Amino acid sequence: QKEVEQDPGPLSVPEGAIVSLNCTYSNSAFQYFMWYRQYSRKGPELLMYTYSSGNKEDGRFTAQVDKSSKYISLFIRDSQPSDSATYLCAMSSNQAGTALIFGKGTTLSVSS
Amino acid sequence: DGGITQSPKYLFRKEGQNVTLSCEQNLNHDAMYWYRQDPGQGLRLIYYSQIVNDFQKGDIAEGYSVSREKKESFPLTVTSAQKNPTAFYLCASRPGHATNEKLFFGSGTQLSVL
Repeated sequence: QKEVEQDPGPLSVPEGAIVSLNCTYSNSAFQYFMWYRQYSRKGPELLMYTYSSGNKEDGRFTAQVDKSSKYISLFIRDSQPSDSATYLCAMSSNQAGTALIFGKGTTLSVSS
Repeated sequence: DGGITQSPKYLFRKEGQNVTLSCEQNLNHDAMYWYRQDPGQGLRLIYYSQIVNDFQKGDIAEGYSVSREKKESFPLTVTSAQKNPTAFYLCASRPGHATNEKLFFGSGTQLSVL
């Protein structure tokens, strides 16, 4: 089992839809959870950052972490064509010197 | 503006040739990273450096080399030993090596084989 699993999609939705993106993980030591957005042939940009369990909201974006289920989600409300991108989840533990572990990314397309 | 600059944006390698990808940051970050991205494969760690004059291998270091002579620079050399170098290469940095620190990326270099 890979440390981080993410459905690659592609996921296609109409403008205005609610989008749910998910990752599962196997390492119970993971404490820090991030979502990155990557436009085609660009570097990923940090979208959301969460520590441990719970929810975090930023505008149309909500990140959820359920450590008991080893499951994280990113919700996008009122999706826009500009949200069309690849979304990568990433996570790390407290162990010193460890790098972020990334999911493979989910490609989202929002049509107008 | 502070940020991470990668150059060139596109690079072509001939058979048996070594090529070097540049990564410069003016964020005063201690830690720097190189990732390789293939379609459908996500990001795989090649090398990372937590301090000047020190670096460690990541998951796929074979066929690559790095140096960290200055805090702001972390060039990656793709050697002729790397038989499948075609990929999108991303450089990243973060303030220190604490695991809770956010990672920032450059805009990437697309390397292709002629």
